[in-house]
Amino acid sequence: ILNVEQSPQSLHVQEGDSTNFTCSFPSSNFYALHWYRWETAKSPEALFVMTLNGDEKKKGRISATLNTKEGYSYLYIKGSQPEDSATYLCAFLTQGGSEKLVFGKGTKLTVNP
Amino acid sequence: DAGVTQSPTHLIKTRGQQVTLRCSPKSGHDTVSWYQQALGQGPQFIFQYYEEEERQRGNFPDRFSGHQFPNYSSELNVNALLLGDSALYLCASSLSLRRGAFNEQFFGPGTRLTVL
Repeated sequence: ILNVEQSPQSLHVQEGDSTNFTCSFPSSNFYALHWYRWETAKSPEALFVMTLNGDEKKKGRISATLNTKEGYSYLYIKGSQPEDSATYLCAFLTQGGSEKLVFGKGTKLTVNP
Repeated sequence: DAGVTQSPTHLIKTRGQQVTLRCSPKSGHDTVSWYQQALGQGPQFIFQYYEEEERQRGNFPDRFSGHQFPNYSSELNVNALLLGDSALYLCASSLSLRRGAFNEQFFGPGTRLTVL
């Protein structure tokens, strides 16, 4: 059974703080790692799709790194803003033709003004 | 491009009833996946449809079934509803890996199902 773990489960930060959270996944049969952002009352939105060990991707103040050998990815938010408040989900895709994404439970971020 | 659409938005049913949820994928996408999101959990994969066939299935009972139509839209059917089926049901569309994609999912807004 594939297990994707995210930590912390929830996080409260002040506006302007930088923060990061972790996604752990099986290091074998890696194909891709996805990050999604899910704001309340909206649809989950893809942030990054990461495929190569050592990948680093950036979108504005949000960036992510990937270590496939040890099975983890970090998501960083620099200078958090209230509009960054959302649940951040990671999802793992295995090699071997399966197109089934396995999601973690998410990290719920609240940025206080 | 309307993106992924789902209907209905909300639904209330009683135990034992049957329900059908509908999904229209993003234009150009050929694959539709369905997820169940219970409170405090991440989305749990139910199944995936490609070329009108169920290609992958998660750990859900046979009461959960689906269909994909030639225009790539999809339905999720749940029979003999249980209280535990109350959840947000998300539909996501993507391009098949066979087309060189990495299964980036585009999600609809979900259908909130309440079983009383």
